[in-house]
Amino acid sequence: QKEVEQDPGPLSVPEGAIVSLNCTYSNSAFQYFMWYRQYSRKGPELLMYTYSSGNKEDGRFTAQVDKSSKYISLFIRDSQPSDSATYLCAMTNNAGNMLTFGGGTRLMVKP
Amino acid sequence: DADVTQTPRNRITKTGKRIMLECSQTKGHDRMYWYRQDPGLGLRLIYYSFDVKDINKGEISDGYSVSRQAQAKFSLSLESAIPNQTALYFCATSANGRVTDTQYFGPGTRLTVL
Repeated sequence: QKEVEQDPGPLSVPEGAIVSLNCTYSNSAFQYFMWYRQYSRKGPELLMYTYSSGNKEDGRFTAQVDKSSKYISLFIRDSQPSDSATYLCAMTNNAGNMLTFGGGTRLMVKP
Repeated sequence: DADVTQTPRNRITKTGKRIMLECSQTKGHDRMYWYRQDPGLGLRLIYYSFDVKDINKGEISDGYSVSRQAQAKFSLSLESAIPNQTALYFCATSANGRVTDTQYFGPGTRLTVL
């Protein structure tokens, strides 16, 4: 079993929909949780990170962490076609030397 | 100009050949990383370097070696390429120090081993 599990999708939604992307993990030492977005033929870019449990909001994006359930989510409000990409969750412990990535979820937002 | 560049962008080679992938950065970061990406497996860390004299193995270093020629340059070598090393390879950099320092990725090298 992989340390970080992520549904590969693809997830197809109409423009304007609320999107929910999720990851589960098994390592209780993980304390920092990140979401990366990767457009086709590009490298990943960091969207946002969260420390420990709780929510963090940045514009249309909200990251949520539930450490008791070992479950993290990324919500995208008012989704746009430009949000079409692969979303990767990543996490690390307090030392932070290595990130462990999920396999990525491919999102398609249709106009 | 891109802050993190990788050469070549695409490479097709044959089993047993030696291959070098190169990464350069202009961000002035000390930390550099090499990852490979396979469908459904996300990114897996091959090697990382915190400075020119500090190189560490990642999750999947077997079959790979690296060289940190300067702060700005970090090369990945496949001494004898095999087909299951066919993947997308990414270089990344981050500033030293904090756990939350962002990793900046290059555009990737698509490697095919026949």
